[in-house]
Amino acid sequence: AQSVAQPEDQVNVAEGNPLTVKCTYSVSGNPYLFWYVQYPNRGLQFLLKYITGDNLVKGSYGFEAEFNKSQTSFHLKKPSALVSDSALYFCAVRAVYNQGGKLIFGQGTELSVKP
Amino acid sequence: DAGVIQSPRHEVTEMGQEVTLRCKPISGHNSLFWYRQTMMRGLELLIYFNNNVPIDDSGMPEDRFSAKMPNASFSTLKIQPSEPRDSAVYFCASKGSSNTGELFFGEGSRLTVL
Repeated sequence: AQSVAQPEDQVNVAEGNPLTVKCTYSVSGNPYLFWYVQYPNRGLQFLLKYITGDNLVKGSYGFEAEFNKSQTSFHLKKPSALVSDSALYFCAVRAVYNQGGKLIFGQGTELSVKP
Repeated sequence: DAGVIQSPRHEVTEMGQEVTLRCKPISGHNSLFWYRQTMMRGLELLIYFNNNVPIDDSGMPEDRFSAKMPNASFSTLKIQPSEPRDSAVYFCASKGSSNTGELFFGEGSRLTVL
């Protein structure tokens, strides 16, 4: 079975400071990992994904994420947060063997960036 | 390019009524997913289709829910009869043929059952 855990319901950061949104996963075999962002009353937007290769993945809006196989983690990071980054962030996992593409999401983390 | 298109964006109905939510995936995508989002349960996968064929409907809550994909450009999610606990935002998403591909989401249909 596949599962994703986002241990923090909310993360508060001051503008200009670095941010980290945590994600751990559980899957049989190798994972494909994804981050999405959701703004109020909108659908989810793709930020970045890890498929294979370099453990540090760069994505949209200056975000990046680091895949750590030994810790089964895929934390989202940004060196300098913006107020406009305030949104709901979702981590998701798909097992490599799952040819159907089923994607399982975490519960989401509310990021609040204050000026 | 048009993204995933869902309708209606908002639906308010009374308990016991039939609700039909509609989705048009991105042209050329061959996988379609229906998710439900609530505060209590987060994002739940209800059902997904590959090449118009339902692959996994284990997330469908009960027999009141049904989904169809009669062709590659259209899918429906139907609730009959609706209940207040069905109130949620329902998202449709589609994906291309690559297994490494990301999902593209629609803007969602917010359902309120009174």
